[in-house]
Amino acid sequence: TQLLEQSPQFLSIQEGENLTVYCNSSSVFSSLQWYRQEPGEGPVLLVTVVTGGEVKKLKRLTFQFGDARKDSSLHITAAQTGDTGLYLCAGLFNAGTASKLTFGTGTRLQVTL
Amino acid sequence: DTGVSQNPRHKITKRGQNVTFRCDPISEHNRLYWYRQTLGQGPEFLTYFQNEAQLEKSRLLSDRFSAERPKGSFSTLEIQRTEQGDSAMYLCASSFPTGGREAFFGQGTRLTVV
Repeated sequence: TQLLEQSPQFLSIQEGENLTVYCNSSSVFSSLQWYRQEPGEGPVLLVTVVTGGEVKKLKRLTFQFGDARKDSSLHITAAQTGDTGLYLCAGLFNAGTASKLTFGTGTRLQVTL
Repeated sequence: DTGVSQNPRHKITKRGQNVTFRCDPISEHNRLYWYRQTLGQGPEFLTYFQNEAQLEKSRLLSDRFSAERPKGSFSTLEIQRTEQGDSAMYLCASSFPTGGREAFFGQGTRLTVV
């Protein structure tokens, strides 16, 4: 069973601070996705990374895929209260037909004024 | 809007009753997933389909749970003889089977068993 571990589990910061969330596995991902989820809603896709070492930016969010494709990070610059939510990573562990999207445990981010 | 649609959004049922949820995926997507999520946790895989074929079912899923996707379009998830432990958010997602396989989620069905 492939497992994805996210850290930290919970993060409370003030507006304007920077933060990094990590997603790690002992297995190699064929691709990895980051989602953000608000209470009572489904996860919303933020980004997909496929290539080892890949870096993608989405406004103040920077996503990095590890060279070995076993880990990923999400960095938020100058956090805003609107960034509050549950951040989830989800990975596909092989590119074959019989592979499913597996989610990490999530990082709950709270940004306060 | 052509996103993933789930119905109902909320369901309250008495213990022992059967419930059925529906998911309409994005029309071009032939892969469809069901997940269950409890408060503060990440989504837990239940089952997934490619077209009408159910490719995998979680071992965590008891025999009370069944999912269908009869024509490879919409899917239903039925829970028989509900228990209080079934209370959770049930999420549906769809994707293409190749490429980055970005999965797009519906808003979920919140089940409360009383």
